[in-house]
Amino acid sequence: AQRVTQPEKLLSVFKGAPVELKCNYSYSGSPELFWYVQYSRQRLQLLLRHISRESIKGFTADLNKGETSFHLKKPFAQEEDSAMYYCALNDYGQNFVFGPGTRLSVLP
Amino acid sequence: NAGVTQTPKFRVLKTGQSMTLLCAQDMNHEYMYWYRQDPGMGLRLIHYSVGEGTTAKGEVPDGYNVSRLKKQNFLLGLESAAPSQTSVYFCASSFNAVTSGNTIYFGEGSWLTVV
Repeated sequence: AQRVTQPEKLLSVFKGAPVELKCNYSYSGSPELFWYVQYSRQRLQLLLRHISRESIKGFTADLNKGETSFHLKKPFAQEEDSAMYYCALNDYGQNFVFGPGTRLSVLP
Repeated sequence: NAGVTQTPKFRVLKTGQSMTLLCAQDMNHEYMYWYRQDPGMGLRLIHYSVGEGTTAKGEVPDGYNVSRLKKQNFLLGLESAAPSQTSVYFCASSFNAVTSGNTIYFGEGSWLTVV
């Protein structure tokens, strides 16, 4: 079965430091990968998706099929980036599969 | 455009009580989902629906029932609430999940406490 793993439950960085949130997936085909963000007491919202190859709020993510990874990166973290981040995949089946999430804390 | 709305937002239940969470979406989406969010567990799929009149079990369906009588609504029922069902519940919807380019949209969440 398809799985999404995020090895870090909590990631703390200082403001201005680079940040990388790791995501690995297991799937035999070519899934769509997403990053969702949840700010405090708000709904989950789409941050970016691999098929768009875009940069949102300074974040980028590259799909590495060889390593089955979709890590989220930002060169200079801001305090407002503090949130819960979920990696997810759509395997073109019946639903979306989410990872356990990583809480990013950006310290002043 | 309201998107996905859930009611109620907060509820405290006694063990054994029943309740229904209502989810409504105005985006004409075929697929709807109910997730629960617990610390350290992330989002886990409870039940989902691929269209009006259909429902299917997700990862953690025990203790819950669902109904999709209308395309825009997806109800989650707890017949006999247990403390283990204390959680934040998120409803979501998508156009579908079987073709490229679809995104899943979430409601604001419903905080349920069972005492």
